Amino acid sequence: KAGVTQTPRYLIKTRGQQVTLSCSPISGHRSVSWYQQTPGQGLQFLFEYFSETQRNKGNFPGRFSGRQFSNSRSEMNVSTLELGDSALYLCASSFRQGADEQYFGPGTRLTVT
Amino acid sequence: AQKITQTQPGMFVQEKEAVTLDCTYDTSDPSYGLFWYKQPSSGEMIFLIYQGSYDQQNATEGRYSLNFQKARKSANLVISASQLGDSAMYFCAMRGFSGGYNKLIFGAGTRLAVHP
Repeated sequence: KAGVTQTPRYLIKTRGQQVTLSCSPISGHRSVSWYQQTPGQGLQFLFEYFSETQRNKGNFPGRFSGRQFSNSRSEMNVSTLELGDSALYLCASSFRQGADEQYFGPGTRLTVT
Repeated sequence: AQKITQTQPGMFVQEKEAVTLDCTYDTSDPSYGLFWYKQPSSGEMIFLIYQGSYDQQNATEGRYSLNFQKARKSANLVISASQLGDSAMYFCAMRGFSGGYNKLIFGAGTRLAVHP
């Protein structure tokens, strides 16, 4: 069974640009959550999608948005990039909300210059 | 508010020995879940073990076991017979249902180094 995949794996963008990251969950999983990992703030929850609906959102500005498609694939978008957005972005998939297991993808490392 | 505390920034262990990584948590939710993840230098978060707050027995998965002490609000990870490949960052995380069904709150992590 294929794991969670994230594309691209690495990305370099300039301040002010926007970026879209993609996450394909494990087959059959319907919940996708996104996290930002930085050396200073650690791992922080961005948002969660289940059945194409955002179910929960972390404490991030409106520049961070996401969506989920009918095949459960999810994208997150960051507009007007700032230097502080440089981070490892991880997505996690689970079969349902409240599942005992959440599986993470390899992450997308975003560098903003 | 929910909080996870990992007080050991770094740990060293000799190969084949057991090691305990500490994790304490704080939550007002009556029902919650506790997770441990391993993050090698590649960056991927690898799920290790899960413990539900109402589970009567401590969770075990191969060489990993979770020492769950509910009254003390601790959920320590025990790795038996350490291997060189166990060298990585280890994160304790909690899911409380009042915060969202799949929202994980992570600790700061513990970096484990296994020496030959």
